[in-house]
Amino acid sequence: EDQVTQSPEALRLQEGESSSLNCSYTVSGLRGLFWYRQDPGKGPEFLFTLYSAGEEKEKERLKATLTKKESFLHITAPKPEDSATYLCAVQASASKIIFGSGTRLSIRP
Amino acid sequence: DVKVTQSSRYLVKRTGEKVFLECVQDMDHENMFWYRQDPGLGLRLIYFSYDVKMKEKGDIPEGYSVSREKKERFSLILESASTNQTSMYLCASRDSSTNEKLFFGSGTQLSVL
Repeated sequence: EDQVTQSPEALRLQEGESSSLNCSYTVSGLRGLFWYRQDPGKGPEFLFTLYSAGEEKEKERLKATLTKKESFLHITAPKPEDSATYLCAVQASASKIIFGSGTRLSIRP
Repeated sequence: DVKVTQSSRYLVKRTGEKVFLECVQDMDHENMFWYRQDPGLGLRLIYFSYDVKMKEKGDIPEGYSVSREKKERFSLILESASTNQTSMYLCASRDSSTNEKLFFGSGTQLSVL
């Protein structure tokens, strides 16, 4: 069964304290892995797409990496404005996009 | 800038009412989606439309129907609202030529009393 699991559910960091969020997946045919950011009361906003193992993408303090079974979202020297829920999703077909439950990230000043 | 607009931010309805949730996109995208988001369950697909008048059931279509008469508009209908349909509803659109990222609306928080 296609499945996406994110860990941890919640993460509290001090400003400047780097860490990583994990997204483990099982899917019959990966057509893309996506990371989204969601702020409270808003819809998810696209961050990255990764297609093949070994691929990496970066944007400001965020870097996403992909292996055959998982993806990591590394956050380097985070700031309070990075606080949000981060969602991982895998695309198995044109209509089948499976989302994880998300990681709630909180950065304390 | 790309925009997906959902007609209501908050909605309160009574059990048994017929509810319409509207979504409009301005990007000329073929694909549109309706998801519901519940704590601990992530986003679950209700319906997918790959083009005008074309639809496909998602993972949880029971109790819902959809309408796509024009390319820019995708409506979600709750035929007879029930309390277990209290949720955040998210609409999204996507360019079918790339099958890439989804563009989401801000969501409608629906409460069924």
